Amino acid sequence: QKEVEQDPGPLSVPEGAIVSLNCTYSNSAFQYFMWYRQYSRKGPELLMYTYSSGNKEDGRFTAQVDKSSKYISLFIRDSQPSDSATYLCAMIRAGNNRKLIWGLGTSLAVNP
Amino acid sequence: GAGVSQSPRYKVAKRGQDVALRCDPISGHVSLFWYQQALGQGPEFLTYFQNEAQLDKSGLPSDRFFAERPEGSVSTLKIQRTQQEDSAVYLCASSLPGGLNEQFFGPGTRLTVL
Repeated sequence: QKEVEQDPGPLSVPEGAIVSLNCTYSNSAFQYFMWYRQYSRKGPELLMYTYSSGNKEDGRFTAQVDKSSKYISLFIRDSQPSDSATYLCAMIRAGNNRKLIWGLGTSLAVNP
Repeated sequence: GAGVSQSPRYKVAKRGQDVALRCDPISGHVSLFWYQQALGQGPEFLTYFQNEAQLDKSGLPSDRFFAERPEGSVSTLKIQRTQQEDSAVYLCASSLPGGLNEQFFGPGTRLTVL
């Protein structure tokens, strides 16, 4: 079993929909939680990160961490075709040289 | 542009050949990471440098993989005697030191071993 589980999708939604992306993890030592977006043939780019539990909002994006359930989410409001990409969750254990442990990525298509 | 650059962008190798992949980090970024991303998978950590020191190489899959950063700037990932299972995108990332500084990724090198 992988340390970080993420449904690869694909997920297809109409423009304007609310998108929910999720990851679960098994190692309680994870303390930093990130969401990256990766367009085709590009490197990942950081969207949001959170430390420990709680919510964080940035424009149309909201990240949630529930450490008791070992579950993290990314919500995208008013989704746009330009949001079509693969979304990867990544995590870091405390004191681990910032080595990122990644999910598989979820492929998202927002249809105009 | 001031981003992370990688070369070549695409590399085709015959099984058994040696390859060298180059990463130019963002100027001033002392931390440098290599990841391997197989098709349809998330990236997997390979190795990490702080300046010229290789602090973690626990993700290198075999002794055929070797990374160096001799002057603390440009880094090279070398794969000897390539195998078909080495086919993947190799991503390089750099970041500022300390804390939880964002890792900035290059576009990757897509390696295909025939």
